[in-house]
Amino acid sequence: DVKVTQSSRYLVKRTGEKVFLECVQDMDHENMFWYRQDPGLGLRLIYFSYDVKMKEKGDIPEGYSVSREKKERFSLILESASTNQTSMYLCASSSHRVNEKLFFGSGTQLSVL
Amino acid sequence: EDKVVQSPLSLVVHEGDTVTLNCSYEVTNFRSLLWYKQEKKAPTFLFMLTSSGIEKKSGRLSSILDKKELFSILNITATQTGDSAIYLCAVEQGNSGYALNFGKGTSLLVTP
Repeated sequence: DVKVTQSSRYLVKRTGEKVFLECVQDMDHENMFWYRQDPGLGLRLIYFSYDVKMKEKGDIPEGYSVSREKKERFSLILESASTNQTSMYLCASSSHRVNEKLFFGSGTQLSVL
Repeated sequence: EDKVVQSPLSLVVHEGDTVTLNCSYEVTNFRSLLWYKQEKKAPTFLFMLTSSGIEKKSGRLSSILDKKELFSILNITATQTGDSAIYLCAVEQGNSGYALNFGKGTSLLVTP
């Protein structure tokens, strides 16, 4: 079974802190994604990566950065956390093959106080 | 602007009822439409639809795509309390770099 693992299930941080959200997949997938999920807004794409050291902005990249130094790991970084970044963060991965579905991690519920 | 719209946003039904969830889309370079079920954690894959008029079925769940009218439906027959979840519709575009464009989801509650 494909496994996408997010390092933390719940996280509480203070405004201004630097926050790292880690995601690891074990299926040798080329593509990895970070989404955030908010009530009434659905899933919105923050960043994605289709290869090591490659990254592309999604729909809402402001306030975030990412790192993909190894194929299996994709990190989301909040340089200076703000209260409006309180959200559920979902990592996902997929292969390059056409029509391949996304596999999701269990999510990290981040609260910024 | 590309968009994916799900309706209704929320729904409450009794066990045994049949429900139909809707997903309409307006995107360029459509490649596929996917349905996911999300309970308390990771969304889990249900169906991928690429061709019009071909029904995909898994147990009490089924789905179909209409590429002419640009929508898909997800049917659940004989609902059970375990069907309570958020159902997500997503569209893959050929020029999106493999990312999915999600609707806001339909929250389904099945009461005993």
